[in-house]
Amino acid sequence: NAGVMQNPRHLVRRRGQEARLRCSPMKGHSHVYWYRQLPEEGLKFMVYLQKENIIDESGMPKERFSAEFPKEGPSILRIQQVVRGDSAAYFCASSPWGDTIYFGEGSWLTVV
Amino acid sequence: AQTVTQSQPEMSVQEAETVTLSCTYDTSESNYYLFWYKQPPSRQMILVIRQEAYKQQNATENRFSVNFQKAAKSFSLKISDSQLGDTAMYFCAFMSREGNTPLVFGKGTRLSVIA
Repeated sequence: NAGVMQNPRHLVRRRGQEARLRCSPMKGHSHVYWYRQLPEEGLKFMVYLQKENIIDESGMPKERFSAEFPKEGPSILRIQQVVRGDSAAYFCASSPWGDTIYFGEGSWLTVV
Repeated sequence: AQTVTQSQPEMSVQEAETVTLSCTYDTSESNYYLFWYKQPPSRQMILVIRQEAYKQQNATENRFSVNFQKAAKSFSLKISDSQLGDTAMYFCAFMSREGNTPLVFGKGTRLSVIA
């Protein structure tokens, strides 16, 4: 049973470009979460999704950030017009029914 | 809103010794989960142990055990027979069972195991 799969693991973008991070949850998991970790800090909640629905996006910046979890395919975290402050590790996690949450290995975004 | 506090930014322990990491949390709810996650230098988030608030018995996973004090809202992690591979950041986390709420993390404790 594969774990939570994130790709790309490392992504470099120039300021103003778009970044797309993908997350395939564990098999049988219908709940997906995205967290951001800045250097030397803990994980901050961004968004919680179930298939085709955003359940809680209270941690998402109001502009430039969006997330989706379509009926088919992986969850996508999209960051438009990236800035240096977006450089961080982005973790995806999944759970079968809002219970124990399992994390992927993270995607490291560097904005140059 | 729930908060999780880890008051020890850094700790160190000699190999084979025992260490306890502290965590307190604040909530008005009675039905929730508590977790400890480990983040080694590889940066992967690894679930160490889970506690359900309605269970009085403290959770145990091999060398890892917790001391869950519900009234005091305390959830400490004890690592016995520490190994070099235990060197990592340790995060305490809270999740409510009442509704769709996300995992809330503390700021972490950096543990170094010394040979």
